[in-house]
Amino acid sequence: AQSVAQPEDQVNVAEGNPLTVKCTYSVSGNPYLFWYVQYPNRGLQFLLKYITGDNLVKGSYGFEAEFNKSQTSFHLKKPSALVSDSALYFCAVRRRSTDSWGKLQFGAGTQVVVTP
Amino acid sequence: DTEVTQTPKHLVMGMTNKKSLKCEQHMGHRAMYWYKQKAKKPPELMFVYSYEKLSINESVPSRFSPECPNSSLLNLHLHALQPEDSALYLCASSQARLTNLGNTIYFGEGSWLTVV
Repeated sequence: AQSVAQPEDQVNVAEGNPLTVKCTYSVSGNPYLFWYVQYPNRGLQFLLKYITGDNLVKGSYGFEAEFNKSQTSFHLKKPSALVSDSALYFCAVRRRSTDSWGKLQFGAGTQVVVTP
Repeated sequence: DTEVTQTPKHLVMGMTNKKSLKCEQHMGHRAMYWYKQKAKKPPELMFVYSYEKLSINESVPSRFSPECPNSSLLNLHLHALQPEDSALYLCASSQARLTNLGNTIYFGEGSWLTVV
């Protein structure tokens, strides 16, 4: 069973509009949650993570994510998208149990296209 | 900017060649990883080293041979590869996994491998 779901293959948004990239997970035991971004022909860059505490996490480049335990979601948001935000975004989870060796499980990825 | 450095950025090799990918980090991390990524897909874990010892081998074919000479370096030796092994190979590092599974995994820019 898929542990991390990114329901949208692609998200299209006009520059200046709010951007949301969705992520839901089905991992037990309050996992750690991460967002990474991959620009064309580049490696993965860490954006932000949720470990504990405040449900709203702020990260790099103006991105933030909201953890919702009841909906098991961790959606990525940006109030005003830039053309330069066009990239592939990955949500990832990591179980708290050492039995899983802390393996990062990635979602399928969401391509974000921001048009001028 | 990533502090995980990978060389070479691009590599073309024949199916009978022997080559190596190299990775270096100076963040004091004691866990290092190799991932394989196909275009537009999430990264797939191959190997994990923790304190210079191989902790995880995700059933990777023996034509891929990892090596961790010291806490800063990670190599991936390649021999008798197949065309389907062509992919982006990502190195990553984090603080030692077993102490805090919330530790962020930082990725390098990757090495693009083409097997002809």
